[in-house]
Amino acid sequence: ETGVTQSPTHLIKTRGQQVTLRCSSQSGHNTVSWYQQALGQGPQFIFQYYREEENGRGNFPPRFSGLQFPNYSSELNVNALELDDSALYLCASSWDRANEKLFFGSGTQLSVL
Amino acid sequence: GENVGLHLPTLSVQEGDNSIINCAYSNSASDYFIWYKQESGKGPQFIIDIRSNMDKRQGQRVTVLLNKTVKHLSLQIAATQPGDSAVYFCAEDNNAGNMLTFGGGTRLMVKP
Repeated sequence: ETGVTQSPTHLIKTRGQQVTLRCSSQSGHNTVSWYQQALGQGPQFIFQYYREEENGRGNFPPRFSGLQFPNYSSELNVNALELDDSALYLCASSWDRANEKLFFGSGTQLSVL
Repeated sequence: GENVGLHLPTLSVQEGDNSIINCAYSNSASDYFIWYKQESGKGPQFIIDIRSNMDKRQGQRVTVLLNKTVKHLSLQIAATQPGDSAVYFCAEDNNAGNMLTFGGGTRLMVKP
């Protein structure tokens, strides 16, 4: 086990709604990253948080936002859901930012109808 | 996650044979490369990594080869076992600090 837990495991929403996904990282891991994995594809980097501040962002619109808390938990928020947002959302944590092994959670499967 | 690998290239090998999974990466500035294994219903699991100042690294039953000239990465699995059946992804870090770019993945199927 990686020590990274995500909730919920599955979620169904309708277009236009908002969703919050949660992640609990390993204690001591200062960096958390979120990835989106569409069916049959590799994960795509959404953004990274380091010590509660956004540290980098992939090619995702502003309606994708996040928070990281001092207790090693974090959230991914998506507003105005679109059908194409249906995917597996993965959280990954690491001790630090550079070239460190990432520990992934099992993901939240989001379906947008 | 569920249904990972539905449309991915597939490598089918006999149990006990060696497997070689290949990956072409995109960014010549990338300095850190990782192979991940993803089983159905799970997140990617770290297998082995290599930094750009090396061309080969060995782990337990796995070897990663890096050819920077042609931007090619490979994962060799010795004596492949049924438990190795999964989707395998290569990922690169272009010195941006663990913001990985993943390849498309290869599904490995091990026949008993």
